[in-house]
Amino acid sequence: GAVVSQHPSWVICKSGTSVKIECRSLDFQATTMFWYRQFPKQSLMLMATSNEGSKATYEQGVEKDKFLINHASLTLSTLTVTSAHPEDSSFYICSARDGTGEETQYFGPGTRLLVL
Amino acid sequence: KQEVTQIPAALSVPEGENLVLNCSFTDSAIYNLQWFRQDPGKGLTSLLLIQSSQREQTSGRLNASLDKSSGRSTLYIAASQPGDSATYLCAVSPTGNQFYFGTGTSLTVIP
Repeated sequence: GAVVSQHPSWVICKSGTSVKIECRSLDFQATTMFWYRQFPKQSLMLMATSNEGSKATYEQGVEKDKFLINHASLTLSTLTVTSAHPEDSSFYICSARDGTGEETQYFGPGTRLLVL
Repeated sequence: KQEVTQIPAALSVPEGENLVLNCSFTDSAIYNLQWFRQDPGKGLTSLLLIQSSQREQTSGRLNASLDKSSGRSTLYIAASQPGDSATYLCAVSPTGNQFYFGTGTSLTVIP
C-alpha cells in the first residue's frame, strides 16, 4: 500500500527556535496533504490543508504565520513551527491523498515535538 | 462544524469477547467515514473505509456499519485478542479530503 513518511520522528528544541517537519508520499503523488495535531489524551485536530503549488488553507484558530506550510512538490509538504513555545509541544501527523482519485488517505507515522 | 463523538471513552474486556465501539457525528452530509487504530505514541493505521453510499464494510474480524441519516457508525470486533488493545478513532470526511476525528475509544483486551 501507499506509504507516507515523516521526518523527524522526534524533535526536542529550545523555546524560540523554529522546527521544520517534512511529510513525504513515497510511492504516489499527492496534490493535497493535510496536517493534524494531537495533544496528549486528545484526538487529532486538523490544522491545515496543504495544496501543491498554492497557499495552504488553515483551520479556524490556527495561526498561519506561526505554522508555515510549504507544498513545493507533489511528494513533499513541510510544516515549520516558528518561534516554538512549550505549548506547541504536540504530536504532529500528516496525511496525503493519492492524486489519482483513490479515496483512502494515508497517514504518516507522526512527529513528536517537545519544546523546552 | 462537524463534531464527532465516540462512546465509550475506554473499554476493558476479557480475551475472546465480541465488542462494539460507537461513533456519532452531527452533520450527516459526509463523503465517507473511516475507522483507524492508534497504538501508544504511534501514527494511525487505517482499518475500514465506508463510503457515504455504503452500509457496512468488513475486514477479517472487523465489521463497520454506517447509518448516515442518524449520524452513527459502529465498529464490531469479533473474538477480541490482546493484540487488539489500542485506541480506535472514528473520522468523518465531508468532501473526501480532510477528516474530523472523534475523541477515540481506548480498548484493553485482557488475556
